[in-house]
Amino acid sequence: AQSVAQPEDQVKVAEGNPLTVKCTYSVSGNPYLFWYVQYPNRGLQFLLKYITGDNLVKGSYGFEAEFNKSQTSFHLKKPSALVSDSALYFCAVRPYTGRRALTFGSGTRLQVQP
Amino acid sequence: GAVVSQHPSRVICKSGTSVKIECRSLDFQATTMFWYRQFPKQSLMLMATSNEGSKATYEQGVEKDKFLINHASLTLSTLTVTSAHPEDSSFYICSASWTAENEKLFFGSGTQLSVL
Repeated sequence: AQSVAQPEDQVKVAEGNPLTVKCTYSVSGNPYLFWYVQYPNRGLQFLLKYITGDNLVKGSYGFEAEFNKSQTSFHLKKPSALVSDSALYFCAVRPYTGRRALTFGSGTRLQVQP
Repeated sequence: GAVVSQHPSRVICKSGTSVKIECRSLDFQATTMFWYRQFPKQSLMLMATSNEGSKATYEQGVEKDKFLINHASLTLSTLTVTSAHPEDSSFYICSASWTAENEKLFFGSGTQLSVL
């Protein structure tokens, strides 16, 4: 069975500083990896995904994530944080073959301070 | 981009009543939809996978007689919480897979269910 770990419940950064939200995963075979963002009382919005190819994936709103197979990590990054980036971020994984449902991490609340 | 509409966004009901939540894919055909449940400050937990025209596949520990899922068309799946109890209060989110981009799931905006 697959699993996702987001070791930080909360990340605080100052506006304009770079941000990193950590994610590690466990899955049989090659992974499909995703990042989603959730605003209060809302559904999830897709940010980016990794399927294959370049380990650095660029997504929406200036976010990017780097796939590291040896460390089984898929950390979310942004060079310069905005206050509007404050939200709940979920990392998710599914195996390359088999069930298409995503397994989510526990979420990391990002707080960007003005 | 693809849109998934979920209705209602919020519902309050009395204990013992049933509540139906609808999930529609507005501009694409979704052969598979997923239903998740999210408790406050927790992650999304998969409840069931809904396949058009066939019975849903439930995750271990999810009562299929309590959470009835119907996927009668390629654009509509419904989740009915039967005989709701306060412990069923939660945020329910559906998602749908678009075959043209089947590695990306589109999520509804969620339904906050409060059972009194």
